[in-house]
Amino acid sequence: HVQLVQSGAEVKKPGASVKVSCKASGYTFTSYDMNWVRQATGQGLEWIGWMNPNSRNTGYAQKFQGRVTMTMDTSISTAYMELSSLRSEDTAVYYCARAYSDRSGYYTDGFDIWGQGTMVTVSS
Amino acid sequence: EIVLTQSPGTLSLSPGERATLSCRASQSVTSSYLGWYQQKPGQAPRLLIYGASSRATGIPDRFSGSGSGTDFTLTISRLEPEDFAVYYCQQYGYTPLHFGGGTKVEIK
Repeated sequence: HVQLVQSGAEVKKPGASVKVSCKASGYTFTSYDMNWVRQATGQGLEWIGWMNPNSRNTGYAQKFQGRVTMTMDTSISTAYMELSSLRSEDTAVYYCARAYSDRSGYYTDGFDIWGQGTMVTVSS
Repeated sequence: EIVLTQSPGTLSLSPGERATLSCRASQSVTSSYLGWYQQKPGQAPRLLIYGASSRATGIPDRFSGSGSGTDFTLTISRLEPEDFAVYYCQQYGYTPLHFGGGTKVEIK
């Protein structure tokens, strides 16, 4: 059974950092990129960035450049997303989602498996 | 960057009716890189359609996708009670991999 299981809810103060984990099972972890997406309450989906588990290359949305860091531990099939300098506007549910890329690096099948989401609340 | 605009914002329909959702891109999107997702309250999004018209694993055939260039459509041929949800389109060919703003399909 293919699944992504994320870490639990977090409450952080403004200015702090948060690190969310996403553990994969049921497939070969290194065969898929991992993407991160967030959703504020009542709002739409916002793409944060991606990471390739083989090259360790990353790509971040400009909005998050300088504040987000994506890493992976392939030995335990786990991806991480760390967001720093948190502000109230970062309060949201954060999702990991896998995507398969072809030889050219393009995704062919969309984001086919998603984690259950991690609620991050930023409040003083 | 490619901006996706979905319309309408809300679609009020009855079970059994046909739903037609639109996704318009600010510049041409290769059909291979256009997807549709369904999201229900409190749940993660679920992939419905990839490559503009291919159904994902386990998706019923009442869901279909079409379109090319800048105009794409998701059609639900006959709405079932479990289809009332929010639907998002996404282009995943060129970073940033934006989503559209979503269309809510609600019970009339």
